Amino acid sequence: QKEVEQDPGPLSVPEGAIVSLNCTYSNSAFQYFMWYRQYSRKGPELLMYTYSSGNKEDGRFTAQVDKSSKYISLFIRDSQPSDSATYLCAMRGGFKTIFGAGTRLFVKA
Amino acid sequence: NAGVTQTPKFQVLKTGQSMTLQCAQDMNHEYMSWYRQDPGMGLRLIHYSVGAGITDQGEVPNGYNVSRSTTEDFPLRLLSAAPSQTSVYFCASSRETSGGAGTGELFFGEGSRLTVL
Repeated sequence: QKEVEQDPGPLSVPEGAIVSLNCTYSNSAFQYFMWYRQYSRKGPELLMYTYSSGNKEDGRFTAQVDKSSKYISLFIRDSQPSDSATYLCAMRGGFKTIFGAGTRLFVKA
Repeated sequence: NAGVTQTPKFQVLKTGQSMTLQCAQDMNHEYMSWYRQDPGMGLRLIHYSVGAGITDQGEVPNGYNVSRSTTEDFPLRLLSAAPSQTSVYFCASSRETSGGAGTGELFFGEGSRLTVL
């Protein structure tokens, strides 16, 4: 079983939709939970991070962490075509950052 | 400020050949790492380093060697390339301290696309 599970999609939504992306994990040692965004043929870039259970908002993006269920989510409100990318969840415990498979998101105009 | 620079961007090898993927960063980051990205598998950690002279294995280290003689450079060596090593390789660095505290935000290079025939 992989330490981090993420549905690779693809996920296709119309412009303006609310997008929900999710990951589950098995390692209780993970302390930091992150979402990276990767555009085609580019390296990933950090989008959001959280340290503890709860919600964190940044503009149209909300990250949720539920440590008791080992479940994290990213919500994108009012999605735009420019949000079309691969979204990777990532978790860090100690010196290692472990990534999910990434979900490909397409936002149609 | 170039960030993380990877060379080459593209490479084709024959089975059994060796090569080195170069990675350099100009942000004075202590932490550097190598990942490979394959369809449906996401990014998998190959090796990482928390400072010059210190390296350790990640999730998929077999077939790869690393060394860290300077803060700036972290080359990845393929000793005898196999078709299973066909992948996109990403180098990443972080301000991460040796103590392991902090989010460890990773700054990635643009990737090196390797094909092994």
